[in-house]
Amino acid sequence: AQSVTQLGSHVSVSEGALVLLRCNYSSSVPPYLFWYVQYPNQGLQLLLKYTSAATLVKGINGFEAEFKKSETSFHLTKPSAHMSDASEYFCAVSVLGSGGSYIPTFGRGTSLIVHP
Amino acid sequence: DTEVTQTPKHLVMGMTNKKSLKCEQHMGHRAMYWYKQKAKKPPELMFVYSYEKLSINESVPSRFSPECPNSSLLNLHLHALQPEDSALYLCASSLGGAAHGYTFGSGTRLTVV
Repeated sequence: AQSVTQLGSHVSVSEGALVLLRCNYSSSVPPYLFWYVQYPNQGLQLLLKYTSAATLVKGINGFEAEFKKSETSFHLTKPSAHMSDASEYFCAVSVLGSGGSYIPTFGRGTSLIVHP
Repeated sequence: DTEVTQTPKHLVMGMTNKKSLKCEQHMGHRAMYWYKQKAKKPPELMFVYSYEKLSINESVPSRFSPECPNSSLLNLHLHALQPEDSALYLCASSLGGAAHGYTFGSGTRLTVV
């Protein structure tokens, strides 16, 4: 079954530092992968998605992710953290459900903390 | 219109009340989802509708009753809830394919007293 694993429940960086949030996937077929951000008491906002068109995917707010098949990874990065990036981040994979619909299945989430 | 709209944003209800959550989208999406999210946890799937038909029910208690009156609207009827049902309830929609991504509403914060 397809799934994703997020390594690290919390990541702490200084403002201006590199952001790296890790996500590894488990899939026997090419996966469709997503990164979402969730601000407090909000829904999930799509940052970017991998659909096999390109291995380096650029998203909103300066985030990007690289699909590495050899490492089964889809890590999220941003060159320079802003205070406004502090939030909860979820990696997700599309899984075919029993009813024939595709379902986003989430990792446990990583809380990004940005220090001034 | 590229949004999923959920109402109300906040709801407090007693254990004997009946209430409904509403979700609306006008993007032509054919798959709609209800998720439940507890604090500091990922969303948990409850129901999936595909082309207005219930396609997945993740063994959700019968006190939660979904309804899809048309392709743009999804309701979640609540009755006799328990305090542990307090959570953020998220609605999402999708074109239905694996690669399209999923658009989420901002959620309804439900508190059961």
